[in-house]
Amino acid sequence: DTGVSQDPRHKITKRGQNVTFRCDPISEHNRLYWYRQTLGQGPEFLTYFQNEAQLEKSRLLSDRFSAERPKGSFSTLEIQRTEQGDSAMYLCASGGGQLNTEAFFGQGTRLTVV
Amino acid sequence: EDKVVQSPLSLVVHEGDTVTLNCSYEVTNFRSLLWYKQEKKAPTFLFMLTSSGIEKKSGRLSSILDKKELFSILNITATQTGDSAIYLCAVAKGTNAGKSTFGDGTTLTVKP
Repeated sequence: DTGVSQDPRHKITKRGQNVTFRCDPISEHNRLYWYRQTLGQGPEFLTYFQNEAQLEKSRLLSDRFSAERPKGSFSTLEIQRTEQGDSAMYLCASGGGQLNTEAFFGQGTRLTVV
Repeated sequence: EDKVVQSPLSLVVHEGDTVTLNCSYEVTNFRSLLWYKQEKKAPTFLFMLTSSGIEKKSGRLSSILDKKELFSILNITATQTGDSAIYLCAVAKGTNAGKSTFGDGTTLTVKP
């Protein structure tokens, strides 16, 4: 499969625990995005990487959230001290070299905080 | 604040029907409008529209953008049960088409 890959697909955690998700973009893509989607709503932009540089962060990305893309390939999204409100689908997307082209989404990591 | 509004929120049709999904938007620095299909997992890209009045077509699906009236429609003809999904409209600002503001989607159910 040469699409965007996310791991794990599902994660259940207790409130207060830390969680980390991984995204492997399409190999030649240098743009990488993280989105969050809650039930009944469309995806909401969280952050954007161009290669290893994190160029944009949404106001939705609180201090408990951190994202990295250390070598410009895979990315991780960590949530510290999870809260029930963090329960959502976390989607990763990647795009090719031209900024004005579409991004391709992975299948997401569904997080449930209990 | 940027807004993307889709209508209807949900739609139930029978196989063979034709449907029209609507997307209106209010964003600053509009560059492109994108349609995605989401079937319980990853949104799958359908179309990107940047120019008014030019229809994009893929099989039974087509879409058109009106930049003056700030809306787009997605048409699906001869619907099939496999078309059942959430259809998402997104608007990209500036030059970064991957950074988009999404609507909440239209849930389409096609009954046999």
